[in-house]
Amino acid sequence: DIQMTQSPSSLSTSVGDRVTITCRASQTISNYLNWYQQKAGKAPSLLIYAASSLQSGVPSRFSGSGSGTDFTLTISSLQPEDFATYYCQQSFSTHPLTFGGGTKVEIK
Amino acid sequence: EVQLVESGGGLVQPGGSLRLSCAASGFTVSNSWMHWVRQVPGKGLVWVSRINSDGSSTSYADSVKGRFTVSRDNAKNTLYLQMNSLRAEDTAVYYCARDYRFRDGDNYYFYMDVWGKGTTVTVSS
Repeated sequence: DIQMTQSPSSLSTSVGDRVTITCRASQTISNYLNWYQQKAGKAPSLLIYAASSLQSGVPSRFSGSGSGTDFTLTISSLQPEDFATYYCQQSFSTHPLTFGGGTKVEIK
Repeated sequence: EVQLVESGGGLVQPGGSLRLSCAASGFTVSNSWMHWVRQVPGKGLVWVSRINSDGSSTSYADSVKGRFTVSRDNAKNTLYLQMNSLRAEDTAVYYCARDYRFRDGDNYYFYMDVWGKGTTVTVSS
């Protein structure tokens, strides 16, 4: 199984800050990496697919980068509605699909 | 509007069974690969199962293989997850999600682009 490790597991930050979340795969996955946002009590929603492609309707302050084993999700200027938990997910190996452990972005 | 609505969750005793349903609207499940993902409250997302577009291929996480069965009813435009021999560790919110696939050159990508709101399964005596 491909293990996905996110860091940090949580962070406290302020509106307007730049936020960077990293995701590392246990083996190379090219750019088969998706990012999801999950707000408290809600279902996940897709932010980024194929490592760097922005899902339609997602604000441009979100961006993704990386290839191989190391990936980054960046929020350029955090907005109040961005406080949530973020998950990476690899789609390189479909059995099993695996998610990172999540990064909770909290208000400082 | 493209939408997924799960139902069928509830309280069940260990060793019991439940069947979850995922009703789709705004698209046809027979044209899509579909997934089940679960989440223990306060914990992360865990993939459970998927079925391909024509129902000929299914896949399961090792933790549920042999106990859970994914299926679809195209006439009802609904996805199912039959869960047998339930254990306390199966307690979670269960989400269904649509799999969107595309080709970019020689590469095939997919992601889960539509999610239901989830249904809660509690396994307890």
